[in-house]
Amino acid sequence: DQQVKQNSPSLSVQEGRISILNCDYTNSMFDYFLWYKKYPAEGPTFLISISSIKDKNEDGRFTVFLNKSAKHLSLHIVPSQPGDSAVYFCAASAPYSSNTGKLIFGQGTTLQVKP
Amino acid sequence: EPEVTQTPSHQVTQMGQEVILRCVPISNHLYFYWYRQILGQKVEFLVSFYNNEISEKSEIFDDQFSVERPDGSNFTLKIRSTKLEDSAMYFCASTSVQGGGTEAFFGQGTRLTVV
Repeated sequence: DQQVKQNSPSLSVQEGRISILNCDYTNSMFDYFLWYKKYPAEGPTFLISISSIKDKNEDGRFTVFLNKSAKHLSLHIVPSQPGDSAVYFCAASAPYSSNTGKLIFGQGTTLQVKP
Repeated sequence: EPEVTQTPSHQVTQMGQEVILRCVPISNHLYFYWYRQILGQKVEFLVSFYNNEISEKSEIFDDQFSVERPDGSNFTLKIRSTKLEDSAMYFCASTSVQGGGTEAFFGQGTRLTVV
């Protein structure tokens, strides 16, 4: 079951530059997409979400873009900071599961921000 | 800041033994979840729970698994007869409302090792 895919297992960027994390999905019925960040020995922490009826959502340094025709979303972090170094998970929920809260996660991308 | 707490942080058990993983969700939350992450793999949904009953479960959540909210604060995951392949990090999560874009708060996880 590969409904949500993060094809880049890792990404390294310089502090102050933009980090772009990508996510692809296959199920056109997904109605919400969420990004979570995870540090070692901690649980995932919510970052930002976007409804499928929107194409952009911004929260401070974090912006998520959704391209429904391409079934693709991306998370932009500008400017990147060393504290952003973590594993980033893309997650999606489908209309039925919107009633139960089930999330389907991608494999994660490990972001390293170098000082 | 309210948080989801899980105990123990690490549990080692022999194959065939029963284990109970415990979680204390955020106090005013009503919707509860268990996810797991096998080492090197994606975070997988196991079960969602609301109003003292399961609202959705995955194929992984077979009759060896059960969940319970025995009192007003704890939410437990029981595995009746553990298998080697149950070794994983188990995350509990909770939300205050339902809805696909709702932020789920995750605990720090319990690492289960079946030997």
